[in-house]
Amino acid sequence: GNSVTQMEGPVTLSEEAFLTINCTYTATGYPSLFWYVQYPGEGLQLLLKATKADDKGSNKGFEATYRKETTSFHLEKGSVQVSDSAVYFCALAYPSNTGNQFYFGTGTSLTVIP
Amino acid sequence: DGGITQSPKYLFRKEGQNVTLSCEQNLNHDAMYWYRQDPGQGLRLIYYSQIVNDFQKGDIAEGYSVSREKKESFPLTVTSAQKNPTAFYLCASSMARTWGYTFGSGTRLTVV
Repeated sequence: GNSVTQMEGPVTLSEEAFLTINCTYTATGYPSLFWYVQYPGEGLQLLLKATKADDKGSNKGFEATYRKETTSFHLEKGSVQVSDSAVYFCALAYPSNTGNQFYFGTGTSLTVIP
Repeated sequence: DGGITQSPKYLFRKEGQNVTLSCEQNLNHDAMYWYRQDPGQGLRLIYYSQIVNDFQKGDIAEGYSVSREKKESFPLTVTSAQKNPTAFYLCASSMARTWGYTFGSGTRLTVV
């Protein structure tokens, strides 16, 4: 089957600290991988994606590399800010001619303190 | 601007009542989805629809119903058969052959 496992939170970091949120997946084919971010009281927003092995997705200082050999897609940021406080979801999806169904991890809550 | 609109943002329901959550998109997306979010459980798929007048059950469809009479609209009804309906509900849409969902801002349903 298909599933995504994320490191459990909550994660609390000081401003400018290095961030890693681990994500591993189980997949029956060749999915694309995503990170979504959810700010308090809002829906999810796409943060970055990678569609094939060894691709690196990046956005707003966040990066994640699609590692097929370790079935991982860990999210990293070199220096977090208070505004990065949110819940982060790792997800996988398969291509489809009519849309794409996602499999989400349980989310990791990040709090950045000044 | 294009996007997905969910309404209302907060909804209170008495036990035993049905309630309908609205989801409208003007992105011309083919597919639409409903997810339920509970603390510590991430997102769970309730129903999805890939074309008008067609929809499929997700992982937790019991106690819910949907319709897709128009491409732009995918309302979700939480029926009295849903045992634990208090949750945050998210609607999403996507276009065929492109990546990523667009999410609405969610509806928080509380049963009182």
